[in-house]
Amino acid sequence: NAGVTQTPKFQVLKTGQSMTLQCAQDMNHEYMSWYRQDPGMGLRLIHYSVGAGITDQGEVPNGYNVSRSTTEDFPLRLLSAAPSQTSVYFCASSPSGNTEAFFGQGTRLTVV
Amino acid sequence: GENVEQHPSTLSVQEGDSAVIKCTYSDSASNYFPWYKQELGKRPQLIIDIRSNVGEKKDQRIAVTLNKTAKHFSLHITETQPEDSAVYFCAASPTSGTYKYIFGTGTRLKVLA
Repeated sequence: NAGVTQTPKFQVLKTGQSMTLQCAQDMNHEYMSWYRQDPGMGLRLIHYSVGAGITDQGEVPNGYNVSRSTTEDFPLRLLSAAPSQTSVYFCASSPSGNTEAFFGQGTRLTVV
Repeated sequence: GENVEQHPSTLSVQEGDSAVIKCTYSDSASNYFPWYKQELGKRPQLIIDIRSNVGEKKDQRIAVTLNKTAKHFSLHITETQPEDSAVYFCAASPTSGTYKYIFGTGTRLKVLA
């Protein structure tokens, strides 16, 4: 099993550009989530999904959209990138919302 | 909303000493409390977890204690080694409802040789 795969690993965007961070898991996990990691602020939940077709907002959802059309994939869309979205983004999956979370390798995003 | 507070933000200990990291949570529906370790440039990985029907759990040199009445839980690392140096995150998650998996702000542990 590959586990949780995120692409790309690094990305530089200009302010106002849009892009999609990809996340795929091959463990048949129902629960998937996106976090951003900023120095001194830990891992903050952006959006999460408890199954295909079901998504909900986390702690910091503004400026991001998600969809969950399949169990395997959970892409994160930045609608109009802002410098405040410069961060490391982690996707995670777990069998349910209260079990071990398996993280992808992260995407380092810089918005200039 | 749900909140998880973690202290201290940084912790330095001498090799062989013990380290304790503490977390408090706000959502009384939380009943799953994992701890993750993140080495520099790597992804977070689970090191130990505890559920609300258990007060303490041990795995070799690490242990977690839970006080549901006070809504706090702690990570204890004994006989610390240089390879324990990392950032540690606590988290809390409820059994049902929103299923929001909320993390603390992290503790950077440095073990001095």
